[in-house]
Amino acid sequence: EAEVAQSPRYKITEKSQAVAFWCDPISGHATLYWYRQILGQGPELLVQFQDESVVDDSQLPKDRFSAERLKGVDSTLKIQPAELGDSAMYLCASSRLNTEAFFGQGTRLTVV
Amino acid sequence: QKEVEQDPGPLSVPEGAIVSLNCTYSNSAFQYFMWYRQYSRKGPELLMYTYSSGNKEDGRFTAQVDKSSKYISLFIRDSQPSDSATYLCAMSGGSGYSTLTFGKGTMLLVSP
Repeated sequence: EAEVAQSPRYKITEKSQAVAFWCDPISGHATLYWYRQILGQGPELLVQFQDESVVDDSQLPKDRFSAERLKGVDSTLKIQPAELGDSAMYLCASSRLNTEAFFGQGTRLTVV
Repeated sequence: QKEVEQDPGPLSVPEGAIVSLNCTYSNSAFQYFMWYRQYSRKGPELLMYTYSSGNKEDGRFTAQVDKSSKYISLFIRDSQPSDSATYLCAMSGGSGYSTLTFGKGTMLLVSP
């Protein structure tokens, strides 16, 4: 069964350091999402790609966060510098256009 | 007011009970409705996907959408302890590159 792959599963980093997360969507899924989920809350969209283009990054803190999907397949989300408030689960999901989205297992980030 | 409202619970039921989980929303453009199940420290798992109004059944799960009331429901029959998880509703519009918007999630506890 096809799955969305994310790595690493867990990451501990010090405040002010750089951190990066990787996502490989389900083959053939042109839409890729990065969500952030704080404990006890629902996922909140950070950035949405359609192929290699960003279609929504209105909630991405652009002073410290960046995302790319250079060849329209896998994607990287970067935080530099990390802050204590960035501790959360970072979820990647993919879908065909306007259909159900499938999620990876997420990366749990702890900033100390 | 958030676009999607969901009671966070927790909702505690005995094994075998019928569970009703609900979400309300304010954006009349939403046309695609999803329910996800999320176990602790895992990524959300898609349970049900429906388009527009109506019912959809899959095993012990039934999803209902009432667009006139902007209200969606998930029913779980013969609930099992393994159903204990957080249930997230999610929805999106029908045109263009529509973002998937989530509720906060309802925590369900099924006791043996």
